[in-house]
Amino acid sequence: AQKITQTQPGMFVQEKEAVTLDCTYDTSDPSYGLFWYKQPSSGEMIFLIYQGSYDQQNATEGRYSLNFQKARKSANLVISASQLGDSAMYFCAMRVTGFQKLVFGTGTRLLVSP
Amino acid sequence: KAGVTQTPRYLIKTRGQQVTLSCSPISGHRSVSWYQQTPGQGLQFLFEYFSETQRNKGNFPGRFSGRQFSNSRSEMNVSTLELGDSALYLCASSLDEGSYGYTFGSGTRLTVV
Repeated sequence: AQKITQTQPGMFVQEKEAVTLDCTYDTSDPSYGLFWYKQPSSGEMIFLIYQGSYDQQNATEGRYSLNFQKARKSANLVISASQLGDSAMYFCAMRVTGFQKLVFGTGTRLLVSP
Repeated sequence: KAGVTQTPRYLIKTRGQQVTLSCSPISGHRSVSWYQQTPGQGLQFLFEYFSETQRNKGNFPGRFSGRQFSNSRSEMNVSTLELGDSALYLCASSLDEGSYGYTFGSGTRLTVV
């Protein structure tokens, strides 16, 4: 079975600072994908970044980067230069290849202050 | 291009009633998945449809059902509503099997009273 663990219920950061949101995963399948989504109070899940299990390099998308450490089964999200609009819930998720479903963690609420 | 459209956005129903939620995927996307989000259980997978066929189903009672039409639009139905069915129901579409590009809709917030 697949499992995602996010141990930080909430994180607090000041504007323009960098922040790391933790995510560890558990699967015995060798082929999988890891996702990060942002969910503002409106409810929509916004895709941020994706990392495949066979990808050699860490994924980056603008201010978002994924620190992928396969041996440790961790996939931490790094947000550089935080902005007020980054305040939201952040979810880490995993999909095992061949199964069209995402397994989500419990989420981390990020609050960015001026 | 238009995103994933879920209707209605908000819904209030009474215990025992049934409800139907709708999801229109991004044009060209053939896979539609449904998720339930509650404060207690978090985000849980309900089911996934591809080309009108249910391929995966989560651990939910038979009161939860769905279908997909030939134009890829999907509906989910919950019969005999219970208070615990109050949740945000999210729909996600993706291009095809193996794609990792999931796009979510804004969700339908269902309240059962």
